[in-house]
Amino acid sequence: AQRVTQPEKLLSVFKGAPVELKCNYSYSGSPELFWYVQYSRQRLQLLLRHISRESIKGFTADLNKGETSFHLKKPFAQEEDSAMYYCALSGRNRDDKIIFGKGTRLHILP
Amino acid sequence: EPEVTQTPSHQVTQMGQEVILRCVPISNHLYFYWYRQILGQKVEFLVSFYNNEISEKSEIFDDQFSVERPDGSNFTLKIRSTKLEDSAMYFCASRGGLAGSYEQYFGPGTRLTVT
Repeated sequence: AQRVTQPEKLLSVFKGAPVELKCNYSYSGSPELFWYVQYSRQRLQLLLRHISRESIKGFTADLNKGETSFHLKKPFAQEEDSAMYYCALSGRNRDDKIIFGKGTRLHILP
Repeated sequence: EPEVTQTPSHQVTQMGQEVILRCVPISNHLYFYWYRQILGQKVEFLVSFYNNEISEKSEIFDDQFSVERPDGSNFTLKIRSTKLEDSAMYFCASRGGLAGSYEQYFGPGTRLTVT
């Protein structure tokens, strides 16, 4: 079954503390993994994807195929990081749909 | 930077009525999608569309739903006879046709309320 699991609905972290948003997935094959972010009253936007191996806004995510995980990390949280974060996957066909997790609301405390 | 746009931002309709949700994808994109998010639940795939036909549809996308690209710029989702459980946020997305470009760009969504 194709599935993305984000175990935490809400994560509250103090400003300056490290952040880790957990994501596990189930997929038969080699999926593309993504993190999407939705700031208050804004659209869903791509934060990063595993194939680009970039760091965006200080966030990184490493694909662990053995543990089928794609956790999102940032060493020092900032107040502007408060948002809804969705882990997602898709297949590698051109028109493959995205399968989203339920999302984790990250709340940065001052 | 080009963006996907959606209209209206909020639509209220009575049960049994037809609604059409409109999307204008990014102009040179080739793949188009509709997703929905019921309040408090995850974003779910409805349908993908390429080369003027449906590529894939989910179990949610039953006979009450249809999609169309009537004029080469708009991409519409029609619900023929709305039900209370169709109340949700509907997102349109589009993707380019280049090899390796898997990123889907999302519109701001249309909130559909069925009363």
